[in-house]
Amino acid sequence: DVVMTQTPVSLSVSLGGQVSISCRSSQSLVHNNGNTYLSWYLQKPGQSPQLLIYKVSNRFSGISDRFSGSGSGTDFTLKISRVEPDDLGVYYCGQGTQYPNTFGAGTKLELK
Amino acid sequence: EVQLQESGPGLVKPSQSLSLTCSVTGYSITSNYWGWIRKFPGNKMEWMGYISYSGSTSYNPSLKSRISITRDTSKNQFFLQLNSVTTEDTATYYCARYSIIRGTIDYWGQGVMVTVSS
Repeated sequence: DVVMTQTPVSLSVSLGGQVSISCRSSQSLVHNNGNTYLSWYLQKPGQSPQLLIYKVSNRFSGISDRFSGSGSGTDFTLKISRVEPDDLGVYYCGQGTQYPNTFGAGTKLELK
Repeated sequence: EVQLQESGPGLVKPSQSLSLTCSVTGYSITSNYWGWIRKFPGNKMEWMGYISYSGSTSYNPSLKSRISITRDTSKNQFFLQLNSVTTEDTATYYCARYSIIRGTIDYWGQGVMVTVSS
């Protein structure tokens, strides 16, 4: 299975600040069709996960441009700028390139 | 808008079967893929399997022959059955849609917590 390693495990941020979360995969996430199926999700307290970013850098419908994804191959990053209270929760990366699909262990974003 | 809702017992005894239903509104399950993901205490998430628009299935090998995902297109529902459960299967279970175009899970249900205990 592809192992997804997220760092850091937790992150403290001030409102209005900027943070980056790293996700590394144990194998390249480039699919045979040329696409890279790396996604980012946010799980807010008491809610189900919600999709933020798909195929590395594409924002899902309704997602603020304060969220941006980048990377290639095995190294990926989620950046959140101008952090707002509604951004707090646990962020997960996930890969859909290889079966079984796998997820990172999560990064908890908290207020400083 | 696509909405998914899980239902089923919150408590299952060890060695018995866990059965959950996912009811979908706003979209037909005869398009895209539909699956189950679970989140264990401590945040670890595990993809369990999918059923496709045509009814074919794909399962996580870690679940071996314990898992079955089926559907009822007339009711726009799909189902999870996990056999021979142990306390290790205690988790929150989510049903979700997998978008072929986006290549990812794009809609999730609210989740149902299932405890395996005698």
